Amino acid sequence: GDSVTQMEGPVTLSEEAFLTINCTYTATGYPSLFWYVQYPGEGLQLLLKATKADDKGSNKGFEATYRKETTSFHLEKGSVQVSDSAVYFCALQAPTDQKVTFGTGTKLQVIP
Amino acid sequence: EPEVTQTPSHQVTQMGQEVILRCVPISNHLYFYWYRQILGQKVEFLVSFYNNEISEKSEIFDDQFSVERPDGSNFTLKIRSTKLEDSAMYFCASNAWGATNEKLFFGSGTQLSVL
Repeated sequence: GDSVTQMEGPVTLSEEAFLTINCTYTATGYPSLFWYVQYPGEGLQLLLKATKADDKGSNKGFEATYRKETTSFHLEKGSVQVSDSAVYFCALQAPTDQKVTFGTGTKLQVIP
Repeated sequence: EPEVTQTPSHQVTQMGQEVILRCVPISNHLYFYWYRQILGQKVEFLVSFYNNEISEKSEIFDDQFSVERPDGSNFTLKIRSTKLEDSAMYFCASNAWGATNEKLFFGSGTQLSVL
């Protein structure tokens, strides 16, 4: 079945460092890909999405590109802030499904 | 931005007891979902619900689970006889059209601990 694998956390970075959180997926067909973020004490929020190969999703300085050839959707940000500290979830949704398949989440801690 | 509200935030119960987790989806949304995350594991889909019917469910969602929209605002998940392995964070979610790619709005979760 469909699955998402993302890098183990926690990831600890200094403020203004470059962030990459790796995500790869297994799916039949052409799923949509998402990054959700969960800030402490809150629910999951959609951060960005991409619906077809080579699409780039972006929001709040975060970017991820849908790479069909490597089945990847890595999350990047050029300069992280303390306020970016959260758990980041990579996810996919098959075209015919309502369910979203999530990875385990990667905790990011940004220190001043 | 409108929010999905879940209550309680923490629920402790004894094995074998029934629990009901409550959610108030966003008011103009028509599609409702439950997901759960066992500590350290993936967020897993449980069930989707539309027009007072289950539209999709996972193999986790067995006869011990049920969902209901008892009135115009609440959406509940009932576990009839809880097991230790039901301990998890349960997330409710909703969206307007249930479309592929449509953003899901999640609540902040109910942490269920089965002792």
